[in-house]
Amino acid sequence: GAVVSQHPSRVICKSGTSVKIECRSLDFQATTMFWYRQFPKQSLMLMATSNEGSKATYEQGVEKDKFLINHASLTLSTLTVTSAHPEDSSFYICSTAGGLDTQYFGPGTRLTVL
Amino acid sequence: DAKTTQPTSMDCAEGRAANLPCNHSTISGNEYVYWYRQIHSQGPQYIIHGLKNNETNEMASLIITEDRKSSTLILPHATLRDTAVYYCIVDAGGTSYGKLTFGQGTILTVHP
Repeated sequence: GAVVSQHPSRVICKSGTSVKIECRSLDFQATTMFWYRQFPKQSLMLMATSNEGSKATYEQGVEKDKFLINHASLTLSTLTVTSAHPEDSSFYICSTAGGLDTQYFGPGTRLTVL
Repeated sequence: DAKTTQPTSMDCAEGRAANLPCNHSTISGNEYVYWYRQIHSQGPQYIIHGLKNNETNEMASLIITEDRKSSTLILPHATLRDTAVYYCIVDAGGTSYGKLTFGQGTILTVHP
């Protein structure tokens, strides 16, 4: 299946700073990638759909000005958490299409905002 | 997307088969059944999917009832590394361009 990487795997930042998370599709050209968020002891929640060369589409309740998504190439999508606050602390996971009928997920990025 | 219902948790002895049920009574004719699992602090891992027929791969088998209202994921010889949260998801038209809606899943614990 498709191989998806994320960087960094873990990040700790101060409140008010911005954090960028990268998602790379290593062996598959992905026109579409998805960003999910997972709070402790909860399931994954889709945040946004990242489209190569166009604007991302956000799920209801997700602030597009706070979670900036850039999908500048077929192998890279980035999620920037702007002015991060402790409530943004979460596990962020991206996914990409890996074929006709499957999605493949990255290993996730653990964000802790102090 | 159709909703799925899974038991909250299950236990299994190492080396035995783990049978994880999923109810999807409102599934539409064009919706596939997908199974993913998530080991603690990792991203979800694709396991298997099917439409109508039973499917088998190197990881697991998927048994779908004839009316498609329920399915069972079978891990034939569970190991300790199979301890994870297992998600049953139904989705139409393949997941390549669709949004996956994750429920709470089943926490499978494999005991020595």
